[in-house]
Amino acid sequence: GAVVSQHPSRVICKSGTSVKIECRSLDFQATTMFWYRQFPKKSLMLMATSNEGSKATYEQGVEKDKFLINHASLTLSTLTVTSAHPEDSSFYICSASGGWVESQYFGPGTRLLVL
Amino acid sequence: KNEVEQSPQNLTAQEGEFITINCSYSVGISALHWLQQHPGGGIVSLFMLSSGKKKHGRLIATINIQEKHSSLHITASHPRDSAVYICAVEYGGATNKLIFGTGTLLAVQP
Repeated sequence: GAVVSQHPSRVICKSGTSVKIECRSLDFQATTMFWYRQFPKKSLMLMATSNEGSKATYEQGVEKDKFLINHASLTLSTLTVTSAHPEDSSFYICSASGGWVESQYFGPGTRLLVL
Repeated sequence: KNEVEQSPQNLTAQEGEFITINCSYSVGISALHWLQQHPGGGIVSLFMLSSGKKKHGRLIATINIQEKHSSLHITASHPRDSAVYICAVEYGGATNKLIFGTGTLLAVQP
């Protein structure tokens, strides 16, 4: 099946710094990538949908200036959490679809802890 | 009421038991996903269904579009099957957006 990777798998940072999370599709061209956030014991929450080469579409309540998404190539999307604060601590998951992939495949997730 | 409901929320089973997790939804969908999330968080796609039944190893997934219901079955359960199982439905046509259930926490005891 299709493989989606995320890097880093875990990151700890100080409040006020920015953190970049990468999502890569390894064996298919991902025309669409999705970014999700998951709080402890809660469902995944869609943050934004990004299509290669165009601006991301953010869900209601998600600050686009806080969570910068770039989908510059068919295999890479990045999520940058700007000026991170402790309340941004969460599990961030990407998924990708496109090419021969009939639906979405999920990355392994990135656990962010902001001190 | 959530658009995607799973039951049970928590399930404890003995090794070897046959397990069923149910998912009901209230929206029109183009596909339904079953996902597995282990402690530590990584999500694995188990199945994507739009009709009928799929089988992979000890896992079987079925869907009844008319009744808006899907089931995930695990035969001969094993402690390594312990995880959260999440049902998600796909809607919105070309955008492939997913609505997630709250998950079923399965613990299989040896």
